[in-house]
Amino acid sequence: SYELTQPPSVSVSPGQTARITCSGDALPKHFAFWYQQRPGQAPVMVISKDTERPSGIPERFSGSSSGTTVTLTISGVQAEDEADYYCQSTDSSGTYWDVVFGGGTKLTVL
Amino acid sequence: QVQLQESGPGLVKPSETLSLTCTVSGGAISTYFWNWIRQPPGKALEWIGNIFHSGSTNYNPSLKSRVTISVDTSNNRFSLKLSSVTAADTAVYYCARGVGDYGDYLYFQYWGQGTLVTVSS
Repeated sequence: SYELTQPPSVSVSPGQTARITCSGDALPKHFAFWYQQRPGQAPVMVISKDTERPSGIPERFSGSSSGTTVTLTISGVQAEDEADYYCQSTDSSGTYWDVVFGGGTKLTVL
Repeated sequence: QVQLQESGPGLVKPSETLSLTCTVSGGAISTYFWNWIRQPPGKALEWIGNIFHSGSTNYNPSLKSRVTISVDTSNNRFSLKLSSVTAADTAVYYCARGVGDYGDYLYFQYWGQGTLVTVSS
């Protein structure tokens, strides 16, 4: 089955830039989406369609794509950005449509 | 403002069927994909499946044999049934409204708060 691979953890100091990668063979064909999940809360989308920032999401969140890897970048990290981050995409053929999440990356703000 | 609320038993016995309902308010259940997603304690999110307002369904291949999702448009709600549960099915179960195009992209725009279902005798 299709998999998206993320690093388990990323640590940065406040004000620095955090980059979280997500790799998958179908990413060149299908958009990726990024979600932030704080403890005990439902996920919230922070990046749509590889690079788009939904309304209400701070400008410090950005996304990029290159081949089979997409990257979530958080510039000027703040303490409130400490959370788990998940990439999500799809895979399909003529007979199925599968929706997958990456394993998640825990962002620690030192 | 669209809101989703999960409801159902918080405890299910092994080998039995888990049943949850998601009630949608603030918007009609038409047009979108309505999804179930789960998250075992301390683990990653896992998509279970979805249903379009027309009733067509798509399921995670790894769960397909045990999952049924149905929609009740007259009451603006949709439901999940997961049969033959084991302890591995213990998780927070979320319902979510999906936006996308079949066979192409799908993303989750609105989520319920989630409900913990524990499988234990």
